[in-house]
Amino acid sequence: SQQGEEDPQALSIQEGENATMNCSYKTSINNLQWYRQNSGRGLVHLILIRSNEREKHSGRLRVTLDTSKKSSSLLITASRAADTASYFCATDRRGSTLGRLYFGRGTQLTVWP
Amino acid sequence: SQTIHQWPATLVQPVGSPLSLECTVEGTSNPNLYWYRQAAGRGLQLLFYSVGIGQISSEVPQNLSASRPQDRQFILSSKKLLLSDSGFYLCAWRQTENNEQFFGPGTRLTVL
Repeated sequence: SQQGEEDPQALSIQEGENATMNCSYKTSINNLQWYRQNSGRGLVHLILIRSNEREKHSGRLRVTLDTSKKSSSLLITASRAADTASYFCATDRRGSTLGRLYFGRGTQLTVWP
Repeated sequence: SQTIHQWPATLVQPVGSPLSLECTVEGTSNPNLYWYRQAAGRGLQLLFYSVGIGQISSEVPQNLSASRPQDRQFILSSKKLLLSDSGFYLCAWRQTENNEQFFGPGTRLTVL
């Protein structure tokens, strides 16, 4: 079953603007990961945030995690047309065996030049 | 460095025909391997995972099966395809240290 739920389902912005995507989950986690998928391609790992971390940065990406609200956000600053893709959050559920990740349905981001 | 391959990239098959999708990983040994299916506009559904040769666990009952004949080879099969088997199939392996997963390029399967 799906674990993460992203919103919005779709987001359309202009180049240079910031894009914020959110993810909610239901159970305790070890970590939460964000992935990117270009149309018709495999997923690419972007960033991982552990349950004891609150914020993490990687280039133009900023991820926050609020375990009390069971939510995370992914911020892409100064977006570019090349950022157009689907973005998924995935949770590494505490107590889960065999490394299973639970993926949400994703947010489709479109950045217009 | 590690790489993961899937083939074929696209496949169109008639209902009732057999299926064999292959996934191989290079540059790592004894990886955990996963098969996911992604329906259009949806998230990923875990189908199978394997922790070693010959060890397969299934997440959902379905028309598909998986096998792991070699350490770095993972195969998804079906004896008779259904229309509902259409989708985008992704293979992944797991980095043990932090459970980061690395995905192959995927296979687009269309069952007509």
